[in-house]
Amino acid sequence: KAGVTQTPRYLIKTRGQQVTLSCSPISGHRSVSWYQQTPGQGLQFLFEYFSETQRNKGNFPGRFSGRQFSNSRSEMNVSTLELGDSALYLCASSLKGAQGNSPLHFGNGTRLTVT
Amino acid sequence: GQQVMQIPQYQHVQEGEDFTTYCNSSTTLSNIQWYKQRPGGHPVFLIQLVKSGEVKKQKRLTFQFGEAKKNSSLHITATQTTDVGTYFCAGDAGNQFYFGTGTSLTVIP
Repeated sequence: KAGVTQTPRYLIKTRGQQVTLSCSPISGHRSVSWYQQTPGQGLQFLFEYFSETQRNKGNFPGRFSGRQFSNSRSEMNVSTLELGDSALYLCASSLKGAQGNSPLHFGNGTRLTVT
Repeated sequence: GQQVMQIPQYQHVQEGEDFTTYCNSSTTLSNIQWYKQRPGGHPVFLIQLVKSGEVKKQKRLTFQFGEAKKNSSLHITATQTTDVGTYFCAGDAGNQFYFGTGTSLTVIP
């Protein structure tokens, strides 16, 4: 079974630009969640989608948004990029979501650098 | 703020020594999961605990979930260089799934 695929692996953007990250979950998994990982803040929950609906949202500004398609693939968008948005963005898929007692399967992440 | 804290933040051990990381939540957790992230890699699921006081073992790893379901621990017996990485606990606090701050383990051969 193929794992979670995130594209692109690396991105360099400048302040004020916007970016879209993509995540293809494991086949059959309906939950996709997104995390921001930085050395200082650890793993911060962004949001979770389940069957195309946002089920949970973390404490991030509205510049961070996402969506999920009917094939469970998910995209995350960050608008008006700030230097502090530089981070590793991880996508995780699971059958029912971690709150449904399902393990999270992470992708390799997208390393975003904002200059 | 951060609801799930882990201690220690860093731990260096000689190969063969034991290692323990502790996870503490400010709220009751309905479950606790543990993940390992190797340097340069992504978190990989290790185990899940659901019941109060539950203890599970995986070879040299022992996981515990506290009676009050607010804390957990991971103990590694006789560490090996393959144990290097950051260990995260993560738990469901009702409204969100929180990851702990992580413990970075270095094993000195």
